Amino acid sequence: GESVGLHLPTLSVQEGDNSIINCAYSNSASDYFIWYKQESGKGPQFIIDIRSNMDKRQGQRVTVLLNKTVKHLSLQIAATQPGDSAVYFCAENGGYGQNFVFGPGTRLSVLP
Amino acid sequence: GAVVSQHPSRVICKSGTSVKIECRSLDFQATTMFWYRQFPKQSLMLMATSNEGSKATYEQGVEKDKFLINHASLTLSTLTVTSAHPEDSSFYICSASPQGSEKETQYFGPGTRLLVL
Repeated sequence: GESVGLHLPTLSVQEGDNSIINCAYSNSASDYFIWYKQESGKGPQFIIDIRSNMDKRQGQRVTVLLNKTVKHLSLQIAATQPGDSAVYFCAENGGYGQNFVFGPGTRLSVLP
Repeated sequence: GAVVSQHPSRVICKSGTSVKIECRSLDFQATTMFWYRQFPKQSLMLMATSNEGSKATYEQGVEKDKFLINHASLTLSTLTVTSAHPEDSSFYICSASPQGSEKETQYFGPGTRLLVL
């Protein structure tokens, strides 16, 4: 089942710096988006969500930005900590009642 | 609240055997449960949607006779990988949507690592 040669995009940041993880989505009908964090060997963990009637939403140390014009989503993590090291996935709903589709993921590595 | 468990967390089996994975919502009732497969360094791919009391809906390319899904109660769904082969080795993750919520609300289990020798 493993596809040889596939590599997750990786973002390396210094501890304490801000991180920006980007995601391009494909379905213009998508009106709800979620960012998930997945640590090694674990299931995805909800971080933050946003609906298409908003272009920005803030949580604790995290901010999601949505640009519907170019179908782009970003996750900003302030003051990145070692515990933030994980793979981050964006997910789009494909429209009301549809199943979520996950993006390819980005690995965030926090350097000491 | 909203905890989803999976059992077993990891399993190693011989080629040709069948493996059952359980997904339980521990503190809520789930009308809908989802089964995903994740290969190394790849994203989650939805395999099927499981609705309590009815047949599962499989995604294109997923063999329903190979991956048997049973959702007999509002807190339990099972995925059975029949006649497993090495290419079925993967990380299987379930999620559950609370009764009365939309598909948008999904709580994920911790995953089950399957290795077929």
